[in-house]
Amino acid sequence: DGGITQSPKYLFRKEGQNVTLSCEQNLNHDAMYWYRQDPGQGLRLIYYSQIVNDFQKGDIAEGYSVSREKKESFPLTVTSAQKNPTAFYLCASSTTGEEQYFGPGTRLTVT
Amino acid sequence: KQEVTQIPAALSVPEGENLVLNCSFTDSAIYNLQWFRQDPGKGLTSLLLIQSSQREQTSGRLNASLDKSSGRSTLYIAASQPGDSATYLCAVGDGANSKLTFGKGITLSVRP
Repeated sequence: DGGITQSPKYLFRKEGQNVTLSCEQNLNHDAMYWYRQDPGQGLRLIYYSQIVNDFQKGDIAEGYSVSREKKESFPLTVTSAQKNPTAFYLCASSTTGEEQYFGPGTRLTVT
Repeated sequence: KQEVTQIPAALSVPEGENLVLNCSFTDSAIYNLQWFRQDPGKGLTSLLLIQSSQREQTSGRLNASLDKSSGRSTLYIAASQPGDSATYLCAVGDGANSKLTFGKGITLSVRP
């Protein structure tokens, strides 16, 4: 059963704590992406990676970090430096230049 | 910087109506364009991908067209059903790295 999994579905953290969101894919895709979605706004790109051990900043990378040690995995860490971390986070993957497929998302609430 | 606009933000139609959802973008030098569907609280489901060299793509009751020169794409939904109620997002890819710029989406409600 191929696809993209994100865990957990809901995540609650206190302000000042770092938190890591998981994204795993078994589609054998080279490229992986992290987006953030806020109410009334389109998705905004945080980070993306086209190959293992390489990644680039997207439009809103400040306060976030990523790693790409394995082709299948692209975890996102939301650091305490991110001023407004409460949002819906979506992970996607694709064969380079082709259709992007999305995971079910993680809703992060920071209080 | 690429900007993607989807107007109106919300649309309500009776069941059975054929409808067109519009998407416009400011930079015509796109690599591809993708239409997605999002149900409340869920991830995105890819509907159609149009490469920059293509004019349209079809899948079932859905047809998406692309006019790069005018910076426009349309998603045509035939014989709408209540199950089509969702938010439809248009996203433009700017190169082989597939970075997507998204519109804010159109929330469609199909009334029985």
